[in-house]
Amino acid sequence: DAKTTQPPSMDCAEGRAANLPCNHSTISGNEYVYWYRQIHSQGPQYIIHGLKNNETNEMASLIITEDRKSSTLILPHATLRDTAVYYCIVRGLGQTGANNLFFGTGTRLTVIP
Amino acid sequence: EPEVTQTPSHQVTQMGQEVILRCVPISNHLYFYWYRQILGQKVEFLVSFYNNEISEKSEIFDDQFSVERPDGSNFTLKIRSTKLEDSAMYFCASSVSRVPIYGYTFGSGTRLTVV
Repeated sequence: DAKTTQPPSMDCAEGRAANLPCNHSTISGNEYVYWYRQIHSQGPQYIIHGLKNNETNEMASLIITEDRKSSTLILPHATLRDTAVYYCIVRGLGQTGANNLFFGTGTRLTVIP
Repeated sequence: EPEVTQTPSHQVTQMGQEVILRCVPISNHLYFYWYRQILGQKVEFLVSFYNNEISEKSEIFDDQFSVERPDGSNFTLKIRSTKLEDSAMYFCASSVSRVPIYGYTFGSGTRLTVV
């Protein structure tokens, strides 16, 4: 069910922007892109989602390319507490299994002091 | 900010025993989920629940598993006869919407250890 590809790990300096890429080249027109993160062994935490427009909330920004085949999650000023595994998930309306989220292996982001 | 509450945080049980993991979803949420994560592995979907019935379940969710909403606030996962391979973190989640447009809220999990 893996519809997304993410780098396994990334480092980011504290205070700098963290840019986490995700490829979803087979995304279809009614599928959303979601981002969650998991800090250590805690429960996953919802960050942001989008369909085709760029989105911003208090946690992050989501940039989706015009062809929707890739996206980037931006944490504008990374802190040590942002060290986590970040998951990019694609899911659509009305799909079988639309009620559940498929978590891949994600990107392990390490914020360095 | 509203939270999904899970109890206990850690449970140790003997193989073959029954366990019940408890969750209190966010009060105005209508859809409830269980996921699990075996140590070092991916987060896996188990089951979704709406209107007092299972709406979807994965292959993992076999006859040993059951879910229940016994009252207006609790949502439970029962494992009838635990096996060593059931050792994992179990996460409960809830959402307002049937489809995950608005994101799920996950609890902090119950670590189940089967010995």
